[in-house]
Amino acid sequence: EDKVVQSPLSLVVHEGDTVTLNCSYEVTNFRSLLWYKQEKKAPTFLFMLTSSGIEKKSGRLSSILDKKELFSILNITATQTGDSAVYLCAVGSGGSNYKLTFGKGTLLTVNP
Amino acid sequence: ETGVTQSPTHLIKTRGQQVTLRCSSQSGHNTVSWYQQALGQGPQFIFQYYREEENGRGNFPPRFSGLQFPNYSSELNVNALELDDSALYLCASSRLGQGGETQYFGPGTRLLVL
Repeated sequence: EDKVVQSPLSLVVHEGDTVTLNCSYEVTNFRSLLWYKQEKKAPTFLFMLTSSGIEKKSGRLSSILDKKELFSILNITATQTGDSAVYLCAVGSGGSNYKLTFGKGTLLTVNP
Repeated sequence: ETGVTQSPTHLIKTRGQQVTLRCSSQSGHNTVSWYQQALGQGPQFIFQYYREEENGRGNFPPRFSGLQFPNYSSELNVNALELDDSALYLCASSRLGQGGETQYFGPGTRLLVL
């Protein structure tokens, strides 16, 4: 059975701190790893990674994938209160019947 | 805003009833996937529709069924509702077949079964 494990499950930091969120996975027929931010309802897409070692960056957020060790990290630098959310890691797998398997998420709280 | 819409936003039903949830996909997308998200959990894959046919299914019983229409919109039907069906139901649209594996989510329908 496909499995995605995120750590930590929750994290409380102060504005300006840097955080690292972890995601490890065991899936059959890996195709991609995606990060989403979920504030109220709809998960919002952040990154999709398919190749090892290539960092993806968007503003203060960055992510990298290690396909040999089967994990990914999401870094957020200079955190702001608006970064408070659940961060979901999902792994895309399968052939023609591609699906996403999600972890439980990391609840990040950024205090002023 | 992803352009994926869902209706209704909230719904209250009683055990044993049936429910239909709706999803309109983003323009240019041909695939809709449905997920169930219980409180404090990540979304769980229910099934995916591509070209109006089911194209993969997660570990959900047959009372969860769906449809996709020629305009790529989709419905999720749940029969014989159980208390554990209370959850946020998310649909996601994507463009299968052109490397577009990113799925974009709608705002969800929150279902409460009493």
